[in-house]
Amino acid sequence: KAGVTQTPRYLIKTRGQQVTLSCSPISGHRSVSWYQQTPGQGLQFLFEYFSETQRNKGNFPGRFSGRQFSNSRSEMNVSTLELGDSALYLCASRTSGGLYTDTQYFGPGTRLTVL
Amino acid sequence: TQLLEQSPQFLSIQEGENLTVYCNSSSVFSSLQWYRQEPGEGPVLLVTVVTGGEVKKLKRLTFQFGDARKDSSLHITAAQPGDTGLYLCASDNDYKLSFGAGTTVTVRA
Repeated sequence: KAGVTQTPRYLIKTRGQQVTLSCSPISGHRSVSWYQQTPGQGLQFLFEYFSETQRNKGNFPGRFSGRQFSNSRSEMNVSTLELGDSALYLCASRTSGGLYTDTQYFGPGTRLTVL
Repeated sequence: TQLLEQSPQFLSIQEGENLTVYCNSSSVFSSLQWYRQEPGEGPVLLVTVVTGGEVKKLKRLTFQFGDARKDSSLHITAAQPGDTGLYLCASDNDYKLSFGAGTTVTVRA
């Protein structure tokens, strides 16, 4: 079974631009979550989608948004980029979520650098 | 959101030595997960502990869950360079993982 894939792997943008990151979950997984990882703040939850519905959202400004498609693929968008948005963005998928037995599998991440 | 405190932040040891990483919270964990993350990759689940007092072993790694389910530890026996990585504890609630800050472990050959 193929793992979680994320594209692109690396991205360089300038302040004020917007960016869209893509995530393809493991086949059969309907829950997709996004996390931001920075040296200062560690791993922080952005949002989670299940069957195209957002079930939970982290404490991030409205510039961060996401969506999930009917095939469970997900995208996240960051508008009006700031220097502090430079981070590793991780996508994770699992069958349905809600149970500790439902393992979450992470992709390799997209490294975003904002100049 | 449950706050998880990990210690120490950094650990550098020689191959063959033992190490222990700790994860604590002021509130009770419903379950607690340990992950390892290597450079350029996403975190990989090592174990999930659920029952207070539980001990799980994964080769040279031993995971303990405190009786009150507010703390957990990860012990590595005879560490090897391949154990190098970022070790993260996390709690799973409301469809999201809340992570500790992580412990960066470096095992020198």
